[in-house]
Amino acid sequence: KQEVTQIPAALSVPEGENLVLNCSFTDSAIYNLQWFRQDPGKGLTSLLLIQSSQREQTSGRLNASLDKSSGRSTLYIAASQPGDSATYLCAVRTGANNLFFGTGTRLTVIP
Amino acid sequence: DAMVIQNPRYQVTQFGKPVTLSCSQTLNHNVMYWYQQKSSQAPKLLFHYYDKDFNNEADTPDNFQSRRPNTSFCFLDIRSPGLGDAAMYLCATSGGEATNEKLFFGSGTQLSVL
Repeated sequence: KQEVTQIPAALSVPEGENLVLNCSFTDSAIYNLQWFRQDPGKGLTSLLLIQSSQREQTSGRLNASLDKSSGRSTLYIAASQPGDSATYLCAVRTGANNLFFGTGTRLTVIP
Repeated sequence: DAMVIQNPRYQVTQFGKPVTLSCSQTLNHNVMYWYQQKSSQAPKLLFHYYDKDFNNEADTPDNFQSRRPNTSFCFLDIRSPGLGDAAMYLCATSGGEATNEKLFFGSGTQLSVL
């Protein structure tokens, strides 16, 4: 069974720093990987989706990479801002409707 | 504008008292999903609809049912809520079952069981 792990569980950084969030998965037979943002008590907002054939995707200050063979993805956030504070979840898709989530990294950006 | 709308935002029910959560979408998507997310845990898929075709996950308790009367609406019924059912319930949609489809989530309903 696919297992998705995100380390660290929580991270605090001062405003302006660049940071990297990590996601690893046990079964490399995935179709895609998606990064989400979740604010406290709220739903999930999709940030980036990387197909299995792609190596990275970029949106504004966010860059997500995928190394399928090693079962790893990273989410790079440049020039972090207090508004980036949230929980970031990654999820891998292994079939038509099998989306496996990690438990997330809770990010705090300190002004 | 919100595309996946969940009501209510917060729901409090009593132990054993049936409760219904609702989800509507303006995206005209074929697939609708219900996820359960307990505190500090990953979202867990309960079931999904592809059009009117209902698909239940193997480990979803019988206590949970769902209805989809039309493309836009989907309901989650919890027949006899227990304390362990307190969680955030997330509705999501996607355009199809193709593996390159993104999922779009609503804001969730936080369920408390007293």
